[in-house]
Amino acid sequence: QQQVKQSPQSLIVQKGGISIINCAYENTAFDYFPWYQQFPGKGPALLIAIRPDVSEKKEGRFTISFNKSAKQFSLHIMDSQPGDSATYFCAASRAGGSQGNLIFGKGTKLSVKP
Amino acid sequence: VTQTPKFQVLKTGQSMTLQCAQDMNHNSMYWYRQDPGLGLRQIYYSMNVEVTDKGDVPEGYKVSRKEKRNFPLILESPSPNQTSLYFCASSWTADNSPLHFGNGTRLTVT
Repeated sequence: QQQVKQSPQSLIVQKGGISIINCAYENTAFDYFPWYQQFPGKGPALLIAIRPDVSEKKEGRFTISFNKSAKQFSLHIMDSQPGDSATYFCAASRAGGSQGNLIFGKGTKLSVKP
Repeated sequence: VTQTPKFQVLKTGQSMTLQCAQDMNHNSMYWYRQDPGLGLRQIYYSMNVEVTDKGDVPEGYKVSRKEKRNFPLILESPSPNQTSLYFCASSWTADNSPLHFGNGTRLTVT
């Protein structure tokens, strides 16, 4: 049973547009929600993360929005650039907040067209 | 995090060890596999030397952590369903410090 559902599977956005990737989780004990970015031929790298005590976190053009009651969180990429083309994974950690127990979504392949 | 080899083709039943080494003095290390449409799934993890535990998909794999730096993944009798892209990762501790991933080993079992 998948515990973190990510959508869409793929996304095409024009340069300058807003990219939005959504994730939903089931386990209310999850308490840490990171996003990882993966470029072709590379391993994933931490992009941004949020805890459920805040509803939004922004770092540059990247924003996480968190809705605890709906058990959903999303990544917004403002002013999307071709260099943002990558696969994005949301994740959640089980009770205790351990990165060792991260459960990943299935990933979203983002293509930003020039 | 350095993973070797980058690519490997094996025949069914031909044993293989995927190597992983980190030079950041991290306590925790992990193995994941990445398959199309399935995302990243954890195979095994290690919170410290001589301490290892199963992840979500441990069947067909073994690990050992005899020293802090290295965390090899052993496939004793590979099968075609172990064809995948394997990632090793490390972190300072298990408490939400970021995972640092290697660049992966692409393994094909025929």
